Amino acid sequence: GAVVSQHPSRVICKSGTSVKIECRSLDFQATTMFWYRQFPKQSLMLMATSNEGSKATYEQGVEKDKFLINHASLTLSTLTVTSAHPEDSSFYICSARDMRVREQYFGPGTRLTVT
Amino acid sequence: KQEVTQIPAALSVPEGENLVLNCSFTDSAIYNLQWFRQDPGKGLTSLLLIQSSQREQTSGRLNASLDKSSGRSTLYIAASQPGDSATYLCAVFNNDMRFGAGTRLTVKP
Repeated sequence: GAVVSQHPSRVICKSGTSVKIECRSLDFQATTMFWYRQFPKQSLMLMATSNEGSKATYEQGVEKDKFLINHASLTLSTLTVTSAHPEDSSFYICSARDMRVREQYFGPGTRLTVT
Repeated sequence: KQEVTQIPAALSVPEGENLVLNCSFTDSAIYNLQWFRQDPGKGLTSLLLIQSSQREQTSGRLNASLDKSSGRSTLYIAASQPGDSATYLCAVFNNDMRFGAGTRLTVKP
């Protein structure tokens, strides 16, 4: 089956620094990728939808200047959490859509802890 | 905006029981519905995917049904085992994928 990777799997950073998370589709091209956030014991909440070569579409309440998304190629999207604060600590999961079969495949997630 | 609801929020059963998890969604114009399993601190494991034209899918002890017109899906787990303990998430897919809050299942030995 299709594989989506995320890097890093776990990151700890200090408050005020920026963190970049990479999401790659390994064996298919993904014109659309999605970023989700999951707080403890809660479900996945869609943050933004990124389309290759264009600006991301953010869900209501998600700060676009804080969560920078770049989808520069058909196999790579990045999420940068700028000036991270402890309340940004969460599990971030990316997903990539394979348009050939119109299915979404999920990465293994990145655990971000901001101290 | 699509709203996905899962009932119950938590469920504890003795080993061997059959059980049903419920999922409902507000917008029936979906392309497919997918059930996932998530273990604590881990990512998602896809269990079953039902296309909008299908009514059910089966994999081993799992059976998922879909009634698009009523906006409902059920996940049936037969002969539950302690290893089935996890959070089960229902998600519907149209232009993007929206998740329910999940059902936390505990199967006691």
